[in-house]
Amino acid sequence: EPEVTQTPSHQVTQMGQEVILRCVPISNHLYFYWYRQILGQKVEFLVSFYNNEISEKSEIFDDQFSVERPDGSNFTLKIRSTKLEDSAMYFCASSAGTTNTGELFFGEGSRLTVL
Amino acid sequence: AQSVTQLGSHVSVSEGALVLLRCNYSSSVPPYLFWYVQYPNQGLQLLLKYTSAATLVKGINGFEAEFKKSETSFHLTKPSAHMSDAAEYFCAVIQNSGNTPLVFGKGTRLSVIA
Repeated sequence: EPEVTQTPSHQVTQMGQEVILRCVPISNHLYFYWYRQILGQKVEFLVSFYNNEISEKSEIFDDQFSVERPDGSNFTLKIRSTKLEDSAMYFCASSAGTTNTGELFFGEGSRLTVL
Repeated sequence: AQSVTQLGSHVSVSEGALVLLRCNYSSSVPPYLFWYVQYPNQGLQLLLKYTSAATLVKGINGFEAEFKKSETSFHLTKPSAHMSDAAEYFCAVIQNSGNTPLVFGKGTRLSVIA
């Protein structure tokens, strides 16, 4: 069964360092997403990506964040200068279709710890 | 803007007992509603969805949910809990016009006691 894969599963970094989280969405899916979940809190939307551009982004997704689909298979989330409050589980997701139907397929997440 | 509220961060039931996880939504336009489940060390998985067809929706693993507009609710139920149902359950909402983000509730952790 096709699945969304994420790497790394866990990354520890120092405050101020750049981090890149990688995702391989399901191959025929067109919509890609990043969500995050701070420990004990709700799953929060960061950004959606369609047709090689950002479709929607939340207030959390400020200038420190960027997304890219560099090679037609990977979908990356970059945090330029990490802060302590960026520590969270980051989930990548993808969906089929040309509109966001809410039926998302999630990866297992990348846990980011900022020290 | 749409949102969902899940009542109870933790629910504990005995094996074989009824499971009831509560979700209320707020939306200015007709919503699409979802339940996702997260098993330990795994990503979120779609359990079931309501998209304005039948108000009683059946999902995987024997779960179902009923959309009640008058109560703005979309509670998740299962007649008989199994140990394998222990997981985190998330209610989520999206506007039915599409192209808006899926918004999640805070989640309810279900424990099943033998």
